Amino acid sequence: QSALTQPASVSGSPGQSIAISCTGTSSDVGGDNHVSWYQQHPGKAPKLIIYDVSNRPSGVSSRFSGSKFGNTASLTISGLQAEDEADYHCSSFTTSSPLYVVFGGGTKLTVL
Amino acid sequence: EVQLVQSGGGLVQPGGSLRLSCAASGFTVSDTFMSWVRQAPGKGLEWVSVIYNSGSTHYADSVKGRFTISRDNSKNTLYLQMNSLRTEDTAVFFCARDFSYGAVDYWGQGTLVTVSS
Repeated sequence: QSALTQPASVSGSPGQSIAISCTGTSSDVGGDNHVSWYQQHPGKAPKLIIYDVSNRPSGVSSRFSGSKFGNTASLTISGLQAEDEADYHCSSFTTSSPLYVVFGGGTKLTVL
Repeated sequence: EVQLVQSGGGLVQPGGSLRLSCAASGFTVSDTFMSWVRQAPGKGLEWVSVIYNSGSTHYADSVKGRFTISRDNSKNTLYLQMNSLRTEDTAVFFCARDFSYGAVDYWGQGTLVTVSS
């Protein structure tokens, strides 16, 4: 069982917006701003799309945005495109064991 | 250009050992945090271990005492020594350049470790 809780799946139609939640505790998401989000296509390595809650690395589309409220972080994807269909993973630094990073279980995004 | 090229992995029996290597280019491994992250078949990501630029290390509880992360600065290479392997260690292992407590900007290509009799 993963330390952070994500929905197993979400779906949306092209052009729509969707949000994926990532719920932790005050020891991780709620207590630290080192929250990251990754996009992973089948058979590929993950790709960083959000770090430090809401920062986008250079080259990542502005359609991806991140936020946090309390113990829950969220990834929002606006203007859904077919190529957004992938698995999305959140991570957070944690002040409890293992004193580094924990991941969510991942969310499968389906673009209808 | 930053690259991480992994080697090692394969099939090993329970209780056996393997060493994974991750050769870096385009940056210096000792200047940054380097992590190992794994992904069991059909599952999510799991952080395994980190070595800070200072040389300090941390491990996930699931591998503590069995896995050892290290680096060879002269070869600019990261390693993961895995001992006492269990069937539940079966996964694709990725090496990763971690620039800020879990923010990984570069990943290796991944290598499959299968623990089975």
